[in-house]
Amino acid sequence: DTEVTQTPKHLVMGMTNKKSLKCEQHMGHRAMYWYKQKAKKPPELMFVYSYEKLSINESVPSRFSPECPNSSLLNLHLHALQPEDSALYLCASSRAGNGYTFGSGTRLTVV
Amino acid sequence: GQQVMQIPQYQHVQEGEDFTTYCNSSTTLSNIQWYKQRPGGHPVFLIQLVKSGEVKKQKRLTFQFGEAKKNSSLHITATQTTDVGTYFCAGRRNPYGQNFVFGPGTRLSVLP
Repeated sequence: DTEVTQTPKHLVMGMTNKKSLKCEQHMGHRAMYWYKQKAKKPPELMFVYSYEKLSINESVPSRFSPECPNSSLLNLHLHALQPEDSALYLCASSRAGNGYTFGSGTRLTVV
Repeated sequence: GQQVMQIPQYQHVQEGEDFTTYCNSSTTLSNIQWYKQRPGGHPVFLIQLVKSGEVKKQKRLTFQFGEAKKNSSLHITATQTTDVGTYFCAGRRNPYGQNFVFGPGTRLSVLP
C-alpha cells in the first residue's frame, strides 16, 4: 500500500459545527503532516507529528486541533471555523529524510 | 525566516518546446525537493536533491542543485500535454528538520 487516504473528500460545514478530517497510511511512515492549501497557492504547513508526538505547530489557531491516535492515523478536529478557513486540507506522510506522500485532500467549505 | 522563491510564476509553451523553472532560496539549503500538482489534484513527489552541484534525470526531466545549495532548477525537454500542472520546489535548511518550505510554484500550460 503506497497511498495516503483522506476522508471525506469534500466537506461543507457551518461556523458553529464540529467536524473531523481523517488521514490513514500503511507505509510505515513515522512522520505525518497536515497542510492547508488555498487556490493557486503552495501548501502551507500546519502540524507535524513524529512518532505519534506533535513536533511542529506552525502557530495554527486553536480552532484546529490535531490528533495522532496511532502510527497509521492522523485526525484534524475542526470547531468554530471561519469562512476564510475554506481550503484544501492535505495530509502527508514520509520516512525521515524522504519525499512526502500526499493524500488527495479534503476540500473544505465553511459557510 | 527562510524564503523560497520560484520563477516564472506562469509559463505557456507549445507542445514540443522546452520548459525550465528556477527555485531560489534566501538561505543555504540542506536539501531540496520537487513536486508536481496537476489541476484539481494533490502534490506528487518527483525528486530530492542533496549534494552541491547534483544533477538528476528522470526521462525528459532534469533537476539541478546549485553549487552553493541556494538554488535549483527543473528542466523539461520536449514538453507534452501530460506535463501540465504546477511545479513546486520545497527546501529544507536543517538536515534533521521536518519543515520543508514550499516555493510559490510555477504553473505550466502546454498548448497542443
